[in-house]
Amino acid sequence: QVQLRQSGPGLVKPSQTLSLTCAISGDSVSSNNAAWNWIRQSPSRGLEWLGRTYYRSKWYYDYAASVKSRITFIPDTSTNQVSLQLNSMTPEDTAVYYCARDRVEVIAKYYYFYGTDVWGQGTTVTVSS
Amino acid sequence: EIVLTQSPGTLSLSPGERATLSCRASQSVSSDYLAWYQQKPGQAPRLLIYGASSRATGIPDRFSGSGSGTDFTLTISNLEPGDFALYYCQHYGRSLTFGGGTRVEI
Repeated sequence: QVQLRQSGPGLVKPSQTLSLTCAISGDSVSSNNAAWNWIRQSPSRGLEWLGRTYYRSKWYYDYAASVKSRITFIPDTSTNQVSLQLNSMTPEDTAVYYCARDRVEVIAKYYYFYGTDVWGQGTTVTVSS
Repeated sequence: EIVLTQSPGTLSLSPGERATLSCRASQSVSSDYLAWYQQKPGQAPRLLIYGASSRATGIPDRFSGSGSGTDFTLTISNLEPGDFALYYCQHYGRSLTFGGGTRVEI
């Protein structure tokens, strides 16, 4: 059974960097049949995808345009984790942050998508001084 | 960028009734990449349907998905008390896009 366990602070000051970690059990961060997303949710913005990382002979990163200039994902095969860093935090970044797995299968270069099927427990992040 | 519009915003129904939720895409999308999720207060979203009509593991057959092109539907037959929740559609592509959600309430 695949599980994702998130850790990180719940309170961040404006202009600081948010660092969250997603520990993966039951799957591998470098699996060819998975991608690892960070998604946030707030009343004003709903469910907002921040980006994904995945391994297909090398690491790939897709970031949402809205945060691309200040976001970094860091996969770590030694600890089987993926971390999020989001710089220059503002109150508008206040949200519940989730890591989540896409289950995919690539056959003849076609991506078969089986859903974002496993989610972390969520981390409530408040940006305030 | 694909925009997903869900309707209605809120659906008021009683246990035993049928719920019909709509998701409209701003442009035609492959049904392979359309999914539905249920979310209850304080919980992460839970995958219900992928590929527009395939139920995820453990999802009862009261939940069914259909549609193609720009119009997709999630149907919940014989509503049970645990089905009253928020529902989101999602498109998988270069990015993940979510609809604004439909609340199914008693």
